[in-house]
Amino acid sequence: QKEVEQNSGPLSVPEGAIASLNCTYSDRGSQSFFWYRQYSGKSPELIMSIYSNGDKEDGRFTAQLNKASQYVSLLIRDSQPSDSATYLCVKQDDKIIFGKGTRLHILP
Amino acid sequence: GAGVSQSPSNKVTEKGKDVELRCDPISGHTALYWYRQSLGQGLEFLIYFQGNSAPDKSGLPSDRFSAERTGGSVSTLTIQRTQQEDSAVYLCASSFELGNSPLHFGNGTRLTVT
Repeated sequence: QKEVEQNSGPLSVPEGAIASLNCTYSDRGSQSFFWYRQYSGKSPELIMSIYSNGDKEDGRFTAQLNKASQYVSLLIRDSQPSDSATYLCVKQDDKIIFGKGTRLHILP
Repeated sequence: GAGVSQSPSNKVTEKGKDVELRCDPISGHTALYWYRQSLGQGLEFLIYFQGNSAPDKSGLPSDRFSAERTGGSVSTLTIQRTQQEDSAVYLCASSFELGNSPLHFGNGTRLTVT
């Protein structure tokens, strides 16, 4: 199993709907997780960090972490066309492991 | 404050030439990372620095690649005898410390080897 796995997509979501991005990881002891957004031709930028089980909300974004099931997710409410990008899930402990990313396409 | 600065933003070079890419991290960030991203692909880890030390060089693709960091600040990635397969965007990132600190990326250097 890859250390961090994401569905490559593309994931198409209608404007205004909730986009749900999922990520699974292999090391049960992992502590720190991040979601980055990368627009085409641009560098990744940090969206959210999450360290504890449960939900963490920031504006339209909610990160969810379930360490027992070894998954982390990112929900985007009221999706906008400007949310169309690739979303990278990152597991970070003594090593930083990037997922391959999920391409999200918000349909106007 | 200023973000991570990379130069040049674009570099076109002939096969066989050496190139040097520069990264100036955010002031106070102790950790610095180099990644490579080919078109449409994910991030490929190259090397990281904690201070001036690079504990893990296993990500460097070949012995043509080397990197150094001086004064706990600026880093340079050098590619000797460039090959066409070296063409990619080279991304530098820094973080306050190793471990739980998020990465802040520069805008990258787009390297094209002709």
